[in-house]
Amino acid sequence: AQKVTQAQTEISVVEKEDVTLDCVYETRDTTYYLFWYKQPPSGELVFLIRRNSFDEQNEISGRYSWNFQKSTSSFNFTITASQVVDSAVYFCALSEVGAAGNKLTFGGGTRVLVKP
Amino acid sequence: EAGVTQSPTHLIKTRGQQVTLRCSPISGHTSVYWYQQALGLGLQFLLWYDEGEERNRGNFPPRFSGRQFPNYSSELNVNALELEDSALYLCASSLKGAGANVLTFGAGSRLTVL
Repeated sequence: AQKVTQAQTEISVVEKEDVTLDCVYETRDTTYYLFWYKQPPSGELVFLIRRNSFDEQNEISGRYSWNFQKSTSSFNFTITASQVVDSAVYFCALSEVGAAGNKLTFGGGTRVLVKP
Repeated sequence: EAGVTQSPTHLIKTRGQQVTLRCSPISGHTSVYWYQQALGLGLQFLLWYDEGEERNRGNFPPRFSGRQFPNYSSELNVNALELEDSALYLCASSLKGAGANVLTFGAGSRLTVL
């Protein structure tokens, strides 16, 4: 069965600091997708990024970047120059290709607090 | 384009009562997923509906049930409410597919059971 672990429960930083969120996953599948979602206080989960298991190229999108390492089953996410609006709970999630459609298995989430 | 809409946004029930939560997916999405987010328990998968059929179910008792209508909207029903059912219930929709499609979430229905 698949599992996603986010060891950091809460991170507190001062504005403009970088924040790196750790995510480790377990799956028996060779084809899968990894996601990061953001949940602001309003409650709605907002999609941030998606990566498939065959694409280990790391990318930067604005202030967001991610580091996918299949060898260590990790999919870490970095916010550069954090802002107060980045304060939210961030979830890493895994989707396997198969009979479960696009069902996501989520990690426990990391609460990020950015102080001015 | 309208996003995923859920109703009601907040509701309070007492133990033993029944509740129905509603979800309208994004136009063109045929799959609807329900998740429970209870305090301290993260996001737990409840149900997946696609084209009117229940396709997958999480580890929840039978008093959690639902259905999907021909217009792809969905209802989640919870019978015999218990205190631990207090949670944010999130609905998500996606295109039909197997693993690659992004789930778009609604703002949720926050249920309090007294």
